[in-house]
Amino acid sequence: DQQVKQNSPSLSVQEGRISILNCDYTNSMFDYFLWYKKYPAEGPTFLISISSIKDKNEDGRFTVFLNKSAKHLSLHIVPSQPGDSAVYFCAAYSGNTPLVFGKGTRLSVIA
Amino acid sequence: EAEVAQSPRYKITEKSQAVAFWCDPISGHATLYWYRQILGQGPELLVQFQDESVVDDSQLPKDRFSAERLKGVDSTLKIQPAELGDSAMYLCASSRGQRETQYFGPGTRLLVL
Repeated sequence: DQQVKQNSPSLSVQEGRISILNCDYTNSMFDYFLWYKKYPAEGPTFLISISSIKDKNEDGRFTVFLNKSAKHLSLHIVPSQPGDSAVYFCAAYSGNTPLVFGKGTRLSVIA
Repeated sequence: EAEVAQSPRYKITEKSQAVAFWCDPISGHATLYWYRQILGQGPELLVQFQDESVVDDSQLPKDRFSAERLKGVDSTLKIQPAELGDSAMYLCASSRGQRETQYFGPGTRLLVL
């Protein structure tokens, strides 16, 4: 059973517009969430994180929103750039259990 | 900027052969992780070290996989014998401690023929 779900395998967005990547989770014990970006043939790169005590965290063009009641988080990228084209993974921690990753969403930013 | 180093980047081997992957974490990072990522999936933890001790190896196929981090710094992951189903990306990550942000290396792409 997938505890972290990224239900959209792919997303296409025009350059300059907003990209919204979604992530749902089933484990209510998750208390720390991270987003990673992955280019082909490279390891994942850390983007941004959020603790369950917050509902928003912002870093430059990237903002993560957490809705604990809905067990949902989203990553907003504004404005989207062609270099943002990659696979984005949502991941979550619960206590000292291993980091659990979703299957990823492939973002394509079209110039 | 400090990075996690991994080698080799690519490895092609025949089934039943032995393969080994090496990882050098970011200096000062006490926690080291080995993940396996199959195409279309997220990374899945194989083994986690805290310094030189194994913290979690519950998902490591111990009949063929082994991992060590003898001096609490760099680490080696070995597969013997390799099977066709082992073809995947093997990722190493490190963090200052447990539940901290993990930083990944470039990975080793393994192809077993």
